[in-house]
Amino acid sequence: NAGVTQTPKFQVLKTGQSMTLQCAQDMNHNSMYWYRQDPGMGLRLIYYSASEGTTDKGEVPNGYNVSRLNKREFSLRLESAAPSQTSVYFCASSPGTAISYEQYFGPGTRLTVT
Amino acid sequence: DAKTTQPPSMDCAEGRAANLPCNHSTISGNEYVYWYRQIHSQGPQYIIHGLKNNETNEMASLIITEDRKSSTLILPHATLRDTAVYYCIVKIYGQNFVFGPGTRLSVLP
Repeated sequence: NAGVTQTPKFQVLKTGQSMTLQCAQDMNHNSMYWYRQDPGMGLRLIYYSASEGTTDKGEVPNGYNVSRLNKREFSLRLESAAPSQTSVYFCASSPGTAISYEQYFGPGTRLTVT
Repeated sequence: DAKTTQPPSMDCAEGRAANLPCNHSTISGNEYVYWYRQIHSQGPQYIIHGLKNNETNEMASLIITEDRKSSTLILPHATLRDTAVYYCIVKIYGQNFVFGPGTRLSVLP
């Protein structure tokens, strides 16, 4: 039981490049989330998916798109990366179909945009 | 949403109880108090939550004052592995979390 896995662990992009961050969970959870954490700050919600086929914006969705590919997988895409998107990105999942108090987090993807 | 205030850092001796305070004086009746922690750049880990009663689980205890304007997270016997940033979050159930800067707890040998 791996929990929540994220790929890649590290990535460096040039401004304007695109990439997709992958997230998968093997706990049969309904809800999945993407957060970003900037240096010295707490986490901010980018997007979440309360169930397969649905996605909703969080606090900071601009510049990102998401896809809930199936119950297990939730990807985050940066279409045209900007230096302001340099951050650590965390994926999380939770059992219910509402934003749950008990979320399980992945190890994070450290993204640098130059 | 109710604003929370936590001290930026605290120290605790290994084996002693760590008491982490959180002020949430504008909390409303349907807002829960949640605690998470983040150990050295790992993903956050859920610890405990409560509405108005005190709560205890295998990790910690949560003490909420009767007027609900503040709470304390208690780690009864802190170990070096409890060194982390601890986040107090006040939210209505079902609304998205906002993690603030939290309290950096250092457990000292």
